[in-house]
Amino acid sequence: EAQVTQNPRYLITVTGKKLTVTCSQNMNHEYMSWYRQDPGLGLRQIYYSMNVEVTDKGDVPEGYKVSRKEKRNFPLILESPSPNQTSLYFCASRMGQSYEQYFGPGTRLTVT
Amino acid sequence: AQKVTQAQTEISVVEKEDVTLDCVYETRDTTYYLFWYKQPPSGELVFLIRRNSFDEQNEISGRYSWNFQKSTSSFNFTITASQVVDSAVYFCALRLYTGNQFYFGTGTSLTVIP
Repeated sequence: EAQVTQNPRYLITVTGKKLTVTCSQNMNHEYMSWYRQDPGLGLRQIYYSMNVEVTDKGDVPEGYKVSRKEKRNFPLILESPSPNQTSLYFCASRMGQSYEQYFGPGTRLTVT
Repeated sequence: AQKVTQAQTEISVVEKEDVTLDCVYETRDTTYYLFWYKQPPSGELVFLIRRNSFDEQNEISGRYSWNFQKSTSSFNFTITASQVVDSAVYFCALRLYTGNQFYFGTGTSLTVIP
């Protein structure tokens, strides 16, 4: 089944404790992105990747890191999480420039 | 800069009524894509439609239809004969033809009352 998977789905952590949210797609898509969804703000793009080892910042990259060492994986790293990073995070992938993107199920992160 | 506005924060309709969700976008580029996504209460994001800026034909898919008007920078979504299963948050989004950033509106929460 073609899908985008994220782990974990739910995470509660404390300020400053490094964490990684994994994202994997099995569709051989070139493009992958991370978004955060906050009430009243819609979805905002954090980082995106056009291919292996090629990444760029979205609208809200502060406090986040990403890497793309393999085509199928695009982890989101929070080196020192803070409470303002409490949010619902989505990973997405798409085949090429003119294609729509497909989203993972979401990861709900709470930083206390 | 690009921007997508969904002015309707929440809409409630009674089942079988028609409802239109508004989407207005801003961009100086002449080539771009527009999208609609549905987020049901379960939380996942479901792709509904993609439209490129060259194609102003309206599209109909079952009870769903989309009206794209470049003259007013709008890409409105109409659900005919709404059903309870249509209850969801709907997002409109924009991406430039040559870019990789997606710009989402803040979403419209639709509740269909049985």
